[in-house]
Amino acid sequence: GENVEQHPSTLSVQEGDSAVIKCTYSDSASNYFPWYKQELGKRPQLIIDIRSNVGEKKDQRIAVTLNKTAKHFSLHITETQPEDSAVYFCAAKVGANNLFFGTGTRLTVIP
Amino acid sequence: DADVTQTPRNRITKTGKRIMLECSQTKGHDRMYWYRQDPGLGLRLIYYSFDVKDINKGEISDGYSVSRQAQAKFSLSLESAIPNQTALYFCATSDPSKQGGPWNEQFFGPGTRLTVL
Repeated sequence: GENVEQHPSTLSVQEGDSAVIKCTYSDSASNYFPWYKQELGKRPQLIIDIRSNVGEKKDQRIAVTLNKTAKHFSLHITETQPEDSAVYFCAAKVGANNLFFGTGTRLTVIP
Repeated sequence: DADVTQTPRNRITKTGKRIMLECSQTKGHDRMYWYRQDPGLGLRLIYYSFDVKDINKGEISDGYSVSRQAQAKFSLSLESAIPNQTALYFCATSDPSKQGGPWNEQFFGPGTRLTVL
């Protein structure tokens, strides 16, 4: 089955700096790559996703890039704010199959 | 608003007890999932169901069973709880037919924190 690895496991940045979280996947047939944000004590929620026919997608301060050749994708958060502090999960999906999640990155934005 | 709910939200039990966690949704979604979350291990799939008559094992189904009583309800049971089943459990739903393709955004419930002593 699919194997998704996520790095780093923890990340601290100063407010206003950028944060980058990276994931790799094993199944070259994976075609959908969502990112979920989980604030402390709350449920995971989708923040952005990308499909395999697209190399980059942006939504305000967040962006995701995909390199299919290298089988990795990344989440980029610019101008970080304290409310960006959370655990972020990447995931990968093959066709109609289920999502496989990474192990999560705890992002702390220091005011 | 359409939502996914879980009961109970917290549960403490003893080794060997049978426990049932319940999930209900008002989103009208066909697909439902049970995950467990452990620190450093992310979200791991226990069971999933694509409709009322469909039940499938996920990557860590040993020690668990499920029941899909209706489109809106999906229950997870621990037949004989053990301490390493202490975790945060999430139910989720999705419905590709309502999302313009098989992209499968999942909507999570608020979670059930289970402690097995």
